[in-house]
Amino acid sequence: ETGVTQSPTHLIKTRGQQVTLRCSSQSGHNTVSWYQQALGQGPQFIFQYYREEENGRGNFPPRFSGLQFPNYSSELNVNALELDDSALYLCATGGESYEQYFGPGTRLTVT
Amino acid sequence: RKEVEQDPGPFNVPEGATVAFNCTYSNSASQSFFWYRQDCRKEPKLLMSVYSSGNEDGRFTAQLNRASQYISLLIRDSKLSDSATYLCVRNQGGKLIFGQGTELSVKP
Repeated sequence: ETGVTQSPTHLIKTRGQQVTLRCSSQSGHNTVSWYQQALGQGPQFIFQYYREEENGRGNFPPRFSGLQFPNYSSELNVNALELDDSALYLCATGGESYEQYFGPGTRLTVT
Repeated sequence: RKEVEQDPGPFNVPEGATVAFNCTYSNSASQSFFWYRQDCRKEPKLLMSVYSSGNEDGRFTAQLNRASQYISLLIRDSKLSDSATYLCVRNQGGKLIFGQGTELSVKP
């Protein structure tokens, strides 16, 4: 087990709503990254946080935002949900090496 | 051109077969490479890192050719439990860039 947990496991929202997903980091991992995985595709990088600061962002609109807390846990917030936001949202944590370890994901359905 | 491209799947092989996955990438500045394994509706799990010198872990062998921007994964003596999607990944400054994945199905 990676020691990375995410909540909730499943979520159903309607278009236009806002959602907050949470990730708790394995001890000693000060970097957290968020990914979106649509069905049949590889995960797509959303952004990364390092010591509470955003440290890189993928090609996602500003309505995708995040936070990292002093204990290295993290939140992903998505505003004004769209149908295409339906996906598996994964967080991954890492330490000093480039290896990253994924949590079990949150499956978001937007109706 | 996609940043990471993989062989299209699915690969259907009998138990005991040897199977090879190939992957190409488009950015020569990439720092490190990995193979991840993803079971249906689960998270990706790190299978192995990939080094220029090649590396082996039991039945799995990974190779990296930086000049050709090419990565491979060889699985020998396939087991039923090897059935999964295999994701080729490059790491650039902490950002993981994934291929689409190749599905492997090992049959009895």
